[in-house]
Amino acid sequence: SQTIHQWPATLVQPVGSPLSLECTVEGTSNPNLYWYRQAAGRGLQLLFYSVGIGQISSEVPQNLSASRPQDRQFILSSKKLLLSDSGFYLCAWNPRIGLMNTEAFFGQGTRLTVV
Amino acid sequence: SQELEQSPQSLIVQEGKNLTINCTSSKTLYGLYWYKQKYGEGLIFLMMLQKGGEEKSHEKITAKLDEKKQQSSLHITASQPSHAGIYLCGALLIQGAQKLVFGQGTRLTINP
Repeated sequence: SQTIHQWPATLVQPVGSPLSLECTVEGTSNPNLYWYRQAAGRGLQLLFYSVGIGQISSEVPQNLSASRPQDRQFILSSKKLLLSDSGFYLCAWNPRIGLMNTEAFFGQGTRLTVV
Repeated sequence: SQELEQSPQSLIVQEGKNLTINCTSSKTLYGLYWYKQKYGEGLIFLMMLQKGGEEKSHEKITAKLDEKKQQSSLHITASQPSHAGIYLCGALLIQGAQKLVFGQGTRLTINP
């Protein structure tokens, strides 16, 4: 069966420090991968998505970047965190099966607090 | 601007009452997802709709996608405290593409 791992679960970082959040998927190959950010009690803002290794689509110009060094690994990074980067970050994947749309599976999220 | 508009943004209902949450787009929805989230936790998949006019039910929750595939509604019958949380609609807005976007969410509170 497929599983998605996202870590860490919580993170407190000082302003100006670097960030690296990792997401890995098991049990599938060639997934679509997504990073979202959620402000407190609100909807999901799509940050990046990837349809293959090294292929990253950026949705919101900001202080963050994403990379996909391996098929089932998606990394969210920042060189210098801002206070406004605080939030709940969610990784997700769905299988790419032609034009069929299937459920997207979410990780448990990382709560990032920039202080 | 928001590609998916959810309404209302928050909703408080008495336990036992029915309620409806709407999700609207100016573009055709090629895959419409409903998720529920308990505060500070991951997302729980509820239903996915693809065809115009499609309707699905799970326990006391029913979701519909209109014929034009631009609007979906989520209806809860006889609400219970366990229904409380944030409801999120997500959709693929480009046929065959993989960009999955979400609405602003609806925070549902159930009063006993």
